[in-house]
Amino acid sequence: GAVVSQHPSRVICKSGTSVKIECRSLDFQATTMFWYRQFPKQSLMLMATSNEGSKATYEQGVEKDKFLINHASLTLSTLTVTSAHPEDSSFYICSARSGGPGNTIYFGEGSWLTVV
Amino acid sequence: QKEVEQNSGPLSVPEGAIASLNCTYSDRGSQSFFWYRQYSGKSPELIMFIYSNGDKEDGRFTAQLNKASQYVSLLIRDSQPSDSATYLCAVKGGSQGNLIFGKGTKLSVKP
Repeated sequence: GAVVSQHPSRVICKSGTSVKIECRSLDFQATTMFWYRQFPKQSLMLMATSNEGSKATYEQGVEKDKFLINHASLTLSTLTVTSAHPEDSSFYICSARSGGPGNTIYFGEGSWLTVV
Repeated sequence: QKEVEQNSGPLSVPEGAIASLNCTYSDRGSQSFFWYRQYSGKSPELIMFIYSNGDKEDGRFTAQLNKASQYVSLLIRDSQPSDSATYLCAVKGGSQGNLIFGKGTKLSVKP
């Protein structure tokens, strides 16, 4: 199946700093990528939809100035958590929609962010 | 608000039995339905998708869709301990084609 790669898989950063997470579609072009956040024992919550060449669409309650999304190419979207705080510690997962049967959505491996 | 409901479980079945996972959705206009498996601390992986009413089989997995009842299920035959995970039901329903997830059902297959 389609492969979506996410990097880094784990990152620890100090409170107040910024951290960037990359999401790449390796064998298909993805005009749309999605960023999710998942807290322990909870379901995935959509944060924003990233469209190549245009501004991301953020879900209600997600601060667009804090979670910067850039989708500069058809295979790469990045999420930057700015001025991170301990409450931003979570599992961040990206997904990309392939052009295959049914526009199936595939997930990256996820990134564990710990803010200390 | 579009919703996807799942029983959180845990659902416990003995090895070799059939595990039955259920999901209901609120948006009658939904067309695409997905089942993902998520191991603890890992990202979801796609098991199968279904669009048409009826059954769709793939190996030990069978997805069942009943649009009239707004109900999707996943059957796992010959359950194995390695099937122990959280199973997420998802419906494509957002304005940009994103998935709306249920909270997942935790399955435990006992040896």
